[in-house]
Amino acid sequence: QVQLVESGGGVVQPGRSLRLSCAASGFTFSNYGIHWVRQAPGKGLEWVAVISYDGKNKYYADSVKGRFTISRDNSKSTVYLQMNSLRSEDTAVYYCAKDDSGGRGFDSWGQGTLVSVSS
Amino acid sequence: EIVLTQSPATLSLSPGERATLSCRASQSVSSYLAWYQQKPGQAPRLLIYDASNRAAGIPARFSGSGSGTDFTLTISGLEPEDFAVYYCQQRSNWPLTFGGGTEVEIK
Repeated sequence: QVQLVESGGGVVQPGRSLRLSCAASGFTFSNYGIHWVRQAPGKGLEWVAVISYDGKNKYYADSVKGRFTISRDNSKSTVYLQMNSLRSEDTAVYYCAKDDSGGRGFDSWGQGTLVSVSS
Repeated sequence: EIVLTQSPATLSLSPGERATLSCRASQSVSSYLAWYQQKPGQAPRLLIYDASNRAAGIPARFSGSGSGTDFTLTISGLEPEDFAVYYCQQRSNWPLTFGGGTEVEIK
C-alpha cells in the first residue's frame, strides 16, 4: 500500500535552516508529483510547494518563495524540503502528499512532521 | 492568488441529517476543485476531485457539485464518523490554495 513518511522536523531558532524528508513506498514514485502542505497549530491547511514527477517543474507558495527549496531523488523515492531563513510563522505540521494519477487531488498523505521555530 | 471562502465556519447537525457545505472562489476555477476531510490528529483525506468525482473508497453519501466560482459538498445522512473539518482546494492556478475549512460538529 502507498506510504509516505516525513522526517526531519524539530525545534529550530528563527533564521536557521532545516531539511525535511518524505520517504515513499508502495507505488512507482518516479511517476508522480509530490507536494508539501503545512498546518499551523489550530489553523487550516496551507499548500507550500510541489515538484513534478521528473523534478523539472517546481512551484512554491508566495510565503516561502526564495526561502524554501523542494527537490527529489527518484533513486531513493524521497522528496526533500530545504527550509532556510525560518520564521516563527513557519511553525506548523508539514505533510507531504502525493498527486493522484491526473494531478486532480492529493490522494495519499503522510502523518506529518512538526516544525517549531522559536528562540 | 485565488482565495477560497468556505461557509459556514461551523455546522452543527445531528447524525442522519443532511450537511451542505459551500466553497466560493474569488475567480473562476472551472471544475478544478477538490474536497478533503480531516479528523483531529489525522492527515486530510481526499473525498472529491474535479468538483463532483468521488475519490476511491469514498461512500456515495458524499457528493460534490458546482463549477466556476460556486461549489457545494453535500453529505446526505451524516454518520458518526463524518463529524470532522472539511476543506476545499483549487488547482486551476498557481499557487494552489485551500479554503479556511468548515467544521461539522455534533449538535
